[in-house]
Amino acid sequence: QSVLTQPPSVSGAPGQRVTISCTGSSSNIGSFYDVHWYRQLPGTAPKLLIYGNTNRPSGVPERFSGSKSGTSASLAISGLQAEDEADYYCQSYDSSLSGWVFGGGTKLTV
Amino acid sequence: EVQLVESGGGLVQPGGSLRLSCAASGSTLTSHSISWVRQAPGKGLEWVSYSGTTSTTTYYADSVKGRFTISRDNAKNSVYLQMNSLRAEDTAIYYCASVYHYYMDVWGRGTTVTVSS
Repeated sequence: QSVLTQPPSVSGAPGQRVTISCTGSSSNIGSFYDVHWYRQLPGTAPKLLIYGNTNRPSGVPERFSGSKSGTSASLAISGLQAEDEADYYCQSYDSSLSGWVFGGGTKLTV
Repeated sequence: EVQLVESGGGLVQPGGSLRLSCAASGSTLTSHSISWVRQAPGKGLEWVSYSGTTSTTTYYADSVKGRFTISRDNAKNSVYLQMNSLRAEDTAIYYCASVYHYYMDVWGRGTTVTVSS
C-alpha cells in the first residue's frame, strides 16, 4: 500500500492526451512539499520527468506537464507517442514518516 | 553532471548481510545528498535510506530501520548501504540516486539483491 495513490494503468491512442493522478494527504502533497514525477522504461532505471510540481528538466519535451492542487497532483502527456509507453511514478516527502514517498506507479499503454 | 554506479548485489541467505556501493564520477559526492531506492520484482519504487552531504544526517524507512546503515566515504567518492539481517522481502533492485531539493535528479542503473535459501 503506497502512501501516494496512482491509478494502476491508463491508456490512450497516439496523438491523444492522457493524465495521471497522484493523491496524497496533508502530511505530504497537502503540506508544502512538492510533487515530482519519474518515468521508467522497461528494464531501465527511473528518470526524472517533472520536478517541483511543474518544472521539466532539460531535454524533457513540452508535451509533459505537471500540476498540483491541494492534496493531489497530476501529470499530463499530450501528443501521445508509442515511445511514451512506460511506468510513471509520483513522489513527494512525508513529514509524518520523515521520509520520501512514492506512488504505486501507473503503466501507460499507447 | 554526476554519474552513479551501484555494485555489491548478489544472492544471500535469509539472515545474511551485504554491502552495496554507489560510486560517483563526473562530480564529487561531497556536494550531493544520496538516497537508496529499491524496487521489488514487479513492484513499484520504495525509498530506503538517505544520506546528507555529511554522514551525520541519515534517514531510514521503517522497513529497514535497525537493519540497514548508510554511510559515505567522500575520499573514495562513494556511498554505501550495509544491509544486515536480510529477509526475503528485501529482494529487489537497489538504486542509488542523487537527491536535490527533495527529488532524485540522477539515478544509477541499479544492483540486484536476492535473499533466498
